[in-house]
Amino acid sequence: AQSVTQLGSHVSVSEGALVLLRCNYSSSVPPYLFWYVQYPNQGLQLLLKYTSAATLVKGINGFEAEFKKSETSFHLTKPSAHMSDAAEYFCAVRPFSGGYNKLIFGAGTRLAVHP
Amino acid sequence: NAGVTQTPKFRILKIGQSMTLQCTQDMNHNYMYWYRQDPGMGLKLIYYSVGAGITDKGEVPNGYNVSRSTTEDFPLRLELAAPSQTSVYFCASSPGPSNPTSSYNEQFFGPGTRLTVL
Repeated sequence: AQSVTQLGSHVSVSEGALVLLRCNYSSSVPPYLFWYVQYPNQGLQLLLKYTSAATLVKGINGFEAEFKKSETSFHLTKPSAHMSDAAEYFCAVRPFSGGYNKLIFGAGTRLAVHP
Repeated sequence: NAGVTQTPKFRILKIGQSMTLQCTQDMNHNYMYWYRQDPGMGLKLIYYSVGAGITDKGEVPNGYNVSRSTTEDFPLRLELAAPSQTSVYFCASSPGPSNPTSSYNEQFFGPGTRLTVL
């Protein structure tokens, strides 16, 4: 069965520092990959997606992620953290097969940004 | 467009009570989903629907039921609430792929319902 692993349930960075949130997936066939963000007491919002067009994907709010097939990774980065980036981030994979647009989510990484 | 709306926002139930979590989307999406979110566990799929009149089980369906009589609505029913069902519940929808082998579709999420069973 396919799975998604997010390394680090909590990440803390200083404002202005690099943000790196790690995501690895298990799949023999490159799937579609997503990063979602959840702000406190809100639903999930799509940050960016990989759908096999380009390996470096740019999303909203200055985030980007790079798909690396050899490492089965899809890490999320942002060059300079802002206080408003504090949230929980979920990596998700859509298996290549499956007709109902199934998503498998990682456990999430909570990002804290301190002054 | 309101997107995906869920009611209620919060609810406290006693063990054995029943309730229905409401979910409505106004984007004319074919696919709808119910997830539960537990701390440190990510989101687990409870049930999904690929269109009106069609529903199927996800990863964690026990203790829940769903129906899909219209494209817009996808209510989730808890018949005999148990403490293990304390969670945050999210409804989501997506358009459904026009070409299952080559297209993807983002899921749009509602704001969630926080349920506590005591």
